[in-house]
Amino acid sequence: KQEVTQIPAALSVPEGENLVLNCSFTDSAIYNLQWFRQDPGKGLTSLLLIQSSQREQTSGRLNASLDKSSGRSTLYIAASQPGDSATYLCAVFYEDSGTYKYIFGTGTRLKVLA
Amino acid sequence: ETGVTQTPRHLVMGMTNKKSLKCEQHLGHNAMYWYKQSAKKPLELMFVYNFKEQTENNSVPSRFSPECPNSSHLFLHLHTLQPEDSALYLCASSQGQVWVGGDRGLETQYFGPGTRLLVL
Repeated sequence: KQEVTQIPAALSVPEGENLVLNCSFTDSAIYNLQWFRQDPGKGLTSLLLIQSSQREQTSGRLNASLDKSSGRSTLYIAASQPGDSATYLCAVFYEDSGTYKYIFGTGTRLKVLA
Repeated sequence: ETGVTQTPRHLVMGMTNKKSLKCEQHLGHNAMYWYKQSAKKPLELMFVYNFKEQTENNSVPSRFSPECPNSSHLFLHLHTLQPEDSALYLCASSQGQVWVGGDRGLETQYFGPGTRLLVL
């Protein structure tokens, strides 16, 4: 059974720091992994989508890497800003006995202090 | 704004009520999804529709009944819910469920703001 874990559950850092958020999954047979951010009272915003054949994806100050064999993905945030404060979720997409499943982690709550 | 709207934003209903959640996307996408987000639990995928056809039902109880009349609209009909069904219900859409470079996967999804449901 696929399980997705995100560590740490919460993180508070001063503005300007470079951050690494971690996501681990137990079954490496995934099709893709996606990182989202969720702001309070709002839906999810997709940040980066990494296909299983890819090693990393970059968008602006964000870089996500994927190591399928070890069941890990990291989201790197460069030069953090207060506007980056949100909950960050990772999700893996895979097939289980003919059914497609999309499993989310419980998220990392990030607070960037001005 | 992501181009995905949901109504109502908040809903309180009794266990014997029947209500419907509505989702509309203005992105020209072909796939739509319902998710449930409960407190302190991971987000759960409930239903997937691709080109108006339901392609996935992740063991959701029959008291939740989805409807997709066209690629732009998705409904979730609710009846005889339980208090544990109280959650944030999120709708999302994507261009489609496609093969990408030999990998099958969902494309980038765009989420609505959600409907906060309280079942009394």
